[in-house]
Amino acid sequence: GAVVSQHPSRVICKSGTSVKIECRSLDFQATTMFWYRQFPKQSLMLMATSNEGSKATYEQGVEKDKFLINHASLTLSTLTVTSAHPEDSSFYICSPQTSGEQFFGPGTRLTVL
Amino acid sequence: DAKTTQPTSMDCAEGRAANLPCNHSTISGNEYVYWYRQIHSQGPQYIIHGLKNNETNEMASLIITEDRKSSTLILPHATLRDTAVYYCIVRVSLKTSYDKVIFGPGTSLSVIP
Repeated sequence: GAVVSQHPSRVICKSGTSVKIECRSLDFQATTMFWYRQFPKQSLMLMATSNEGSKATYEQGVEKDKFLINHASLTLSTLTVTSAHPEDSSFYICSPQTSGEQFFGPGTRLTVL
Repeated sequence: DAKTTQPTSMDCAEGRAANLPCNHSTISGNEYVYWYRQIHSQGPQYIIHGLKNNETNEMASLIITEDRKSSTLILPHATLRDTAVYYCIVRVSLKTSYDKVIFGPGTSLSVIP
C-alpha cells in the first residue's frame, strides 16, 4: 500500500510560536493534498485542500492566514500553524490523493502550552 | 448533511464476527462505499470499498444490499487490536472525478476479551 509519513509525530510548543508539519508521500505522487484536524473524542474535520503548485482552498471557519499550506512538489506538503494558541492543540493528519484514491498519514499531535 | 448513518458504538466478543452496519439511503449510482478505521492516536486506515458487489479482502468483507441503501462491514474473527472507530463513507472515486473523504462520527467498536 501507499506509504505516507508525517514529521514530527508530536510537538509541544509555546503559545505564539509557529510550528511546521511536513507530509511526504514516499512511493507515489500526490496531485492533491488534504489536511484534517481532530480534537479529542471528535471525528476528523477537513481543513483545506491543495493541488500541487496552486493555492490551497480552505473550509469554512478555517483561517487561511493562520494555517499556511505549501504544496510545492508532488511528494511534499507542509502545514504551518502560525502564532499557535492552546486552542490549536489538536491531531493534524495529512491525506495525499492520487488517481481518486486518498491515503492518510500517521498524524501529528500538536500541544500548545 | 451526513451521507451515512452508523450506530455510535458497538461491542463484540473476541473471536466472534463483528458486523458493523451503515445506512446510505441517498447514495448515487456512481458513489462507492468506503470503510476506514482509526485506532486511537493513529491516522485512518483503509479497510475495503465496493460499488454494488460484495467484496472481501484479507481484513474484512463488505456486504452491500441490492438497492445499495445500506451495507455491513464484517470482521470475521475480531481481535483486541480491532478496537477502533470505524467510518463508513460514500464517495465518487474515479481518476477523473472524485470526492474528498468527509468523515462522520463513525462507530466505536470495542472488542471485549
